[in-house]
Amino acid sequence: GAGVSQTPSNKVTEKGKYVELRCDPISGHTALYWYRQSLGQGPEFLIYFQGTGAADDSGLPNDRFFAVRPEGSVSTLKIQRTERGDSAVYLCASSSGGGYTGELFFGEGSRLTVL
Amino acid sequence: AQSVTQPDIHITVSEGASLELRCNYSYGATPYLFWYVQSPGQGLQLLLKYFSGDTLVQGIKGFEAEFKRSQSSFNLRKPSVHWSDAAEYFCAVGGSSNTGKLIFGQGTTLQVKP
Repeated sequence: GAGVSQTPSNKVTEKGKYVELRCDPISGHTALYWYRQSLGQGPEFLIYFQGTGAADDSGLPNDRFFAVRPEGSVSTLKIQRTERGDSAVYLCASSSGGGYTGELFFGEGSRLTVL
Repeated sequence: AQSVTQPDIHITVSEGASLELRCNYSYGATPYLFWYVQSPGQGLQLLLKYFSGDTLVQGIKGFEAEFKRSQSSFNLRKPSVHWSDAAEYFCAVGGSSNTGKLIFGQGTTLQVKP
């Protein structure tokens, strides 16, 4: 597609369940980011991929959160043993270059609600 | 540590009036600064950015921003607001030139009165 695609757009789950959120970046973009946006807040950085490798995962809040990008394109954010505090909109963004050389394009996000 | 403060959570202006959204940042070196807009049902969109050079930068949709190092500010302005400008606006500072990650402020919601 033309833009960054995220699925599902909405996910409701119960506390303790496992969740996967998918991001399909713009074709050819090597840089991919995950951010989390809680209600009334700005996005918070979670993790950055350059190609297949996680170049910076300093924003992941704890070891329940994990992300992969096995072929350097699609990425999946995985959350184990979900907690109510994980409820937020998870944003994915991609860019053609590393650093700030390329414009960051954001998807519309996946809204996660943990009951 | 780098941080961004947007002092105004919510602003209401009349259509046709001028607009200024405030942004203050904390950063040790020369900052990379950005303004993004988020409309309902749409992803964040880049309005403009400042890396170096001319401190007044022009962006899309008629927006501009001025970098003032002495005030650690990067305020967003528009001379005449349109109803379609109603959205949430985020200021961000670059957290690492190696990774390109951004540190966002909490956002300012703009409401436009007819």
